[in-house]
Amino acid sequence: GESVGLHLPTLSVQEGDNSIINCAYSNSASDYFIWYKQESGKGPQFIIDIRSNMDKRQGQRVTVLLNKTVKHLSLQIAATQPGDSAVYFCAENFATGNQFYFGTGTSLTVIP
Amino acid sequence: SQTIHQWPATLVQPVGSPLSLECTVEGTSNPNLYWYRQAAGRGLQLLFYSVGIGQISSEVPQNLSASRPQDRQFILSSKKLLLSDSGFYLCAWGKGGHTEAFFGQGTRLTVV
Repeated sequence: GESVGLHLPTLSVQEGDNSIINCAYSNSASDYFIWYKQESGKGPQFIIDIRSNMDKRQGQRVTVLLNKTVKHLSLQIAATQPGDSAVYFCAENFATGNQFYFGTGTSLTVIP
Repeated sequence: SQTIHQWPATLVQPVGSPLSLECTVEGTSNPNLYWYRQAAGRGLQLLFYSVGIGQISSEVPQNLSASRPQDRQFILSSKKLLLSDSGFYLCAWGKGGHTEAFFGQGTRLTVV
């Protein structure tokens, strides 16, 4: 389900360190997942996606891991940069529908 | 290339006044269209989605309605705004079939 009523958790990391952002999803029927990045006052931007037949997918400096057993998704950002500071959301898509449901989000702050 | 336009960017409206937010998509046909609302510091809540002209699905009971008069036009409306309608409204489009949704830049609505 949606946890839109909760305040955002926060994560602070030093520039150059790796970041790990976690997300728990609720519907075992979800078979497609997306990570979005949202900068202040803007719409979310696509980062990376993964289908349920995979457990890992890599992009440029980002890796998404999917654990269907515990319904958990994570986003790893390598060598975090100040420009990575934003709110990160995971979204799930159910097999039978066109809707995207978003997690609570995590606010990432990169310390120079 | 595909683009999505939302307007206005910001809006201040008195309680009890009507609302009309418009979203248009260019460069694609028969998109799935979505309206989300985001309260300050919180996640995205799916309000409405549409898979075709005149086809609207509502996710949550509320003071708002949506319409899709044309293939690439999605309108969010209210006859009488409430204070609780304040928020950041985001329109998005997608093609379904395990592909991502693309977001507009949002409308910041403040009901006073």
